[in-house]
Amino acid sequence: NAGVTQTPKFQVLKTGQSMTLQCAQDMNHNSMYWYRQDPGMGLRLIYYSASEGTTDKGEVPNGYNVSRLNKREFSLRLESAAPSQTSVYFCASSAGLAGGNNEQFFGPGTRLTVL
Amino acid sequence: LAKTTQPISMDSYEGQEVNITCSHNNIATNDYITWYQQFPSQGPRFIIQGYKTKVTNEVASLFIPADRKSSTLSLPRVSLSDTAVYYCLVGAGGGADGLTFGKGTHLIIQP
Repeated sequence: NAGVTQTPKFQVLKTGQSMTLQCAQDMNHNSMYWYRQDPGMGLRLIYYSASEGTTDKGEVPNGYNVSRLNKREFSLRLESAAPSQTSVYFCASSAGLAGGNNEQFFGPGTRLTVL
Repeated sequence: LAKTTQPISMDSYEGQEVNITCSHNNIATNDYITWYQQFPSQGPRFIIQGYKTKVTNEVASLFIPADRKSSTLSLPRVSLSDTAVYYCLVGAGGGADGLTFGKGTHLIIQP
C-alpha cells in the first residue's frame, strides 16, 4: 500500500496563476483533509471531507476550493495564487472523522512557492 | 472547541525519559487525546491516543489524570532520532474539532 500520495512534490507559481494539488489514498478511508504549514508553525486545516460527497471548511479556507472526486481522491485548487499561499501543503486521511478515536495518515507534502 | 497548551520547546539527552505535558482545561466528555510526531520536511505521524488513565504502545505511553484536564506523553530512553515536533490534539470527531495542531513542542535530544 502506498498510503497517502500527493502530487506534485514541488511547485513554483506566479501570482495570479491557478493550480490543483492532487491527493489520493489507498486505505479505503472515509475522511480526507487538506492542511497548510508555514515555517515554524503548526498545521492549519484548510478543508476537510468527512465522507465521499461532502466537504467542509476548516480554519483557513479563503482562496482555496476542494473537490472530493471519489472515495480515494481529494484535490485542492488555488484559483488565483497569492504570495501568502506560499506554504507546504499536507493531505491526510482517516477511517472515520479524525478527532475522536481515529488517527490521521499524512502524505509527504507539496512545497508551493508563489512569486 | 477544546484548546491545548504545550511547551514551545524542550531539551533532553540520549537515554533519558522525556515527558511532554499538554493542558486542555475545557476538554469535553467525548473528547479523545491524540499525539503526533513530525520530522522536518515530513507529514505528522500518529504516536498514541487515549481517553483516560494510561495507554502504552511500543513507542510511548500516555498518562491522563482522572479530571482529564491535562495529558503527558512519555518517551522512554530517547535517542537523537526522537528530535522532532510533538503535537497534542483534543477532539471527539464531530467536525473540525480535534483537527487543530497548534505549534507543538519542539523536542531536541542531545548526545
